[in-house]
Amino acid sequence: EAGVAQSPRYKIIEKRQSVAFWCNPISGHATLYWYQQILGQGPKLLIQFQNNGVVDDSQLPKDRFSAERLKGVDSTLKIQPAKLEDSAVYLCASSPLQAQSRGQYFGPGTRLTVT
Amino acid sequence: AQRVTQPEKLLSVFKGAPVELKCNYSYSGSPELFWYVQYSRQRLQLLLRHISRESIKGFTADLNKGETSFHLKKPFAQEEDSAMYYCALMPGSYIPTFGRGTSLIVHP
Repeated sequence: EAGVAQSPRYKIIEKRQSVAFWCNPISGHATLYWYQQILGQGPKLLIQFQNNGVVDDSQLPKDRFSAERLKGVDSTLKIQPAKLEDSAVYLCASSPLQAQSRGQYFGPGTRLTVT
Repeated sequence: AQRVTQPEKLLSVFKGAPVELKCNYSYSGSPELFWYVQYSRQRLQLLLRHISRESIKGFTADLNKGETSFHLKKPFAQEEDSAMYYCALMPGSYIPTFGRGTSLIVHP
């Protein structure tokens, strides 16, 4: 079974620019998560999708961050405009709908550096 | 609000020594707790779930609701156990909260 795929793996941008990250979850996994992991901290949930609906986005800075999962499969996370404090690793994870208590499967992450 | 605390940023032991990585949680409902591990240059992966009460790679973790703890233990550490370990809380609504992680270094 192929794992969670993310691209790009690395991105360097200047502040006030925009950036987009892509995630392809494991086939058949209905739930998709985006996390932000700042250096020295644990992953922090930004948004959780179930199929193409949003379950929780309470920690998503909506003035600059947006995410979509239009067909209930792939997802895109966008930052516009980026700030220095957005420098972090952005992780995507997925889990089956009926087996969320079995844990999540993570992608390799995208390391974003904002200069 | 739910919270996960991993008090140690770094834990350094010698090979063959016992290991205990601490995790305390704050949650008013019935918790589901997990340990995730990230080896060098690899992605984050699930190590243990409290609900399964299993032993993986010699690690065990017991949920203590009285002390609100879910410490990860291994009686004899191996060099290949060196990694970052994250404790995670998945409350009933399944909105996950992770601790900041503990870096385990096992010296030869």
